[in-house]
Amino acid sequence: QQQVKQSPQSLIVQKGGISIINCAYENTAFDYFPWYQQFPGKGPALLIAIRPDVSEKKEGRFTISFNKSAKQFSLHIMDSQPGDSATYFCAASIYSTGGFKTIFGAGTRLFVKA
Amino acid sequence: GAGVSQSPSNKVTEKGKDVELRCDPISGHTALYWYRQSLGQGLEFLIYFQGNSAPDKSGLPSDRFSAERTGGSVSTLTIQRTQQEDSAVYLCASSLEVWTSADTQYFGPGTRLTVL
Repeated sequence: QQQVKQSPQSLIVQKGGISIINCAYENTAFDYFPWYQQFPGKGPALLIAIRPDVSEKKEGRFTISFNKSAKQFSLHIMDSQPGDSATYFCAASIYSTGGFKTIFGAGTRLFVKA
Repeated sequence: GAGVSQSPSNKVTEKGKDVELRCDPISGHTALYWYRQSLGQGLEFLIYFQGNSAPDKSGLPSDRFSAERTGGSVSTLTIQRTQQEDSAVYLCASSLEVWTSADTQYFGPGTRLTVL
């Protein structure tokens, strides 16, 4: 079965520090790699996403680094804030003649200490 | 405008009963997705609709699960003869369309299902 492996499972970072979450995928057919942020009791919300033809994408304090040859991608949160404390999910998606498929990582619980 | 809504927000049922979970997508969104999130786990993709059509039902966990969408809007996920392992949060999302994997999905708050 196709998987997206996400690490670490949990992460504690000091305010102002850098949070780094890593994901690895298996199927090279995936063509879209989003990161979602989920607060307790809420549904996930798209944070940032990248296509495999780009090695890095930055939006404000959030950066995705993408390594196509290693089949790995990571989320970097710069200047982490207590309000960033949430669960983060990576995902890999594809739409092809076979239809739409997406696989999510298991999630990373981030806690930013004030 | 209004986001994706789901009802009920919580559902407690007894093993063996049938349950129906409802999703109202964002108006104008033609694509709709269902996911299951077990405690402390990632999201498990169940099924998607483009309009009223579900091209691939292979993600449904068993034949006790079914989903339908009518009028290109509201969708219902039905679980028959519920089992304790069905306990999870069921999330619905919608997007403008699904002809690309990159269309942004907007999630509802989910329905927490507890099977006793």
